[in-house]
Amino acid sequence: QRVTQPEKLLSVFKGAPVELKCNYSYSGSPELFWYVQYSRQRLQLLLRHISRESIKGFTADLNKGETSFHLKKPFAQEEDSAMYYCALRAGANSKLTFGKGITLSVRP
Amino acid sequence: GAGVSQSPRYKVAKRGQDVALRCDPISGHVSLFWYQQALGQGPEFLTYFQNEAQLDKSGLPSDRFFAERPEGSVSTLKIQRTQQEDSAVYLCASSLREGRTDTQYFGPGTRLTVL
Repeated sequence: QRVTQPEKLLSVFKGAPVELKCNYSYSGSPELFWYVQYSRQRLQLLLRHISRESIKGFTADLNKGETSFHLKKPFAQEEDSAMYYCALRAGANSKLTFGKGITLSVRP
Repeated sequence: GAGVSQSPRYKVAKRGQDVALRCDPISGHVSLFWYQQALGQGPEFLTYFQNEAQLDKSGLPSDRFFAERPEGSVSTLKIQRTQQEDSAVYLCASSLREGRTDTQYFGPGTRLTVL
């Protein structure tokens, strides 16, 4: 299995929409996550596809046809600036496979 | 409550030295994972424990890497004869149960620099 985050950096102004891209390859039914790492903090779970919830205004929909799990927020805030990782968990194996991550920078 | 803790937070080793990295999971968490994160990369899986049993060590890059969790709580990742390519942040994560729906909670990591 593989997780691809095609961009390394996304820089937007406060209030602009944000979309962080994530594509995956896996033949079965994966579980997809977004993890976030704020400056000087540890990696923490932002959201998971099975919960179908919005956290801090972020949402992500699993598109099995396009094998994507893009993270979206309609109006970015400065406190959203962080490193974001997309991750996949495959089958009964509990390990996570991460993408390389993307730095989101929200300018005032 | 207390989260996952790791020690030391920073470790500098000369090439060829052995190192031991410690992980204290959240109390009562059954599952424990080790990941390696090289600079500019995402975390990569090393090994997984369920209680004291090491169920998956497929990510360990060589036989110089060894992990243990003898009493099903604290875990130690040992790297023998360190090489420069071992320089990375080593992350530990724990989860309450084994299973697809359980959340992994990460520690702050140990940054290993091999000179």
